[in-house]
Amino acid sequence: EEQLVESGGGLVQPGGSLRLSCEGSGFTFRNYEMNWVRQAPGKGLEWVSYISSRASNRYYADSVKGRFTISRDNAKNSLYLQMNSLRAEDTAVYYCARDFCRNARCLYFDLWGQGILVTVSS
Amino acid sequence: EIVMTQSPAALSVSPGERVTLSCRASQSISSNLAWYQQKPGQAPRLLIYGASTRASGIPGRFSGSGSGTEFTLTISSLQSEDFAVYYCQQYTDWLLRTFGQGTKLEIK
Repeated sequence: EEQLVESGGGLVQPGGSLRLSCEGSGFTFRNYEMNWVRQAPGKGLEWVSYISSRASNRYYADSVKGRFTISRDNAKNSLYLQMNSLRAEDTAVYYCARDFCRNARCLYFDLWGQGILVTVSS
Repeated sequence: EIVMTQSPAALSVSPGERVTLSCRASQSISSNLAWYQQKPGQAPRLLIYGASTRASGIPGRFSGSGSGTEFTLTISSLQSEDFAVYYCQQYTDWLLRTFGQGTKLEIK
């Protein structure tokens, strides 16, 4: 069974840091582009960051650019999100999501993890 | 940024009824649209891509249509497990993929 499992969430103070992890199984992780998508409490979905299969390209939403860093370790089938200078508005459930890509473009998210809650509060 | 607008925000429907949800893009996105279903406490699940192609394992009662700026998701006969929030997502601007704000389907 194809699966993504996030970990590393929790409560952090404003200005603090947190590192999320996502482990993939049941598929060849290194062949896929990956993303982080978040959902603030009671709100909709917001794409956060993308990384190509070999980590040669990384993109970020303006709301997190300069504060968050996406990375991956294909030997460990793992995706990461290093979150620094956290703000209250970063409070959300963070999902890792596998990309479906074709002809050098990525399209939709065809596999999602169960999500992990990050709460930024003093 | 391509803004996606869904309507209505919420809809009360009885099981067995047919329902149509709408999604509008702020500019033409051709057929570069996906629909997701999200149940409480769960991750989103891909339903439709390419505006009208059902993802693997999605029942035939779900159908999508539209192109350009206007799109619809139709559920032909609502089952109890279909009550959820539905999101549309564009991927024309794939470096900044955006979602609609969601439509919540509630049991009448």
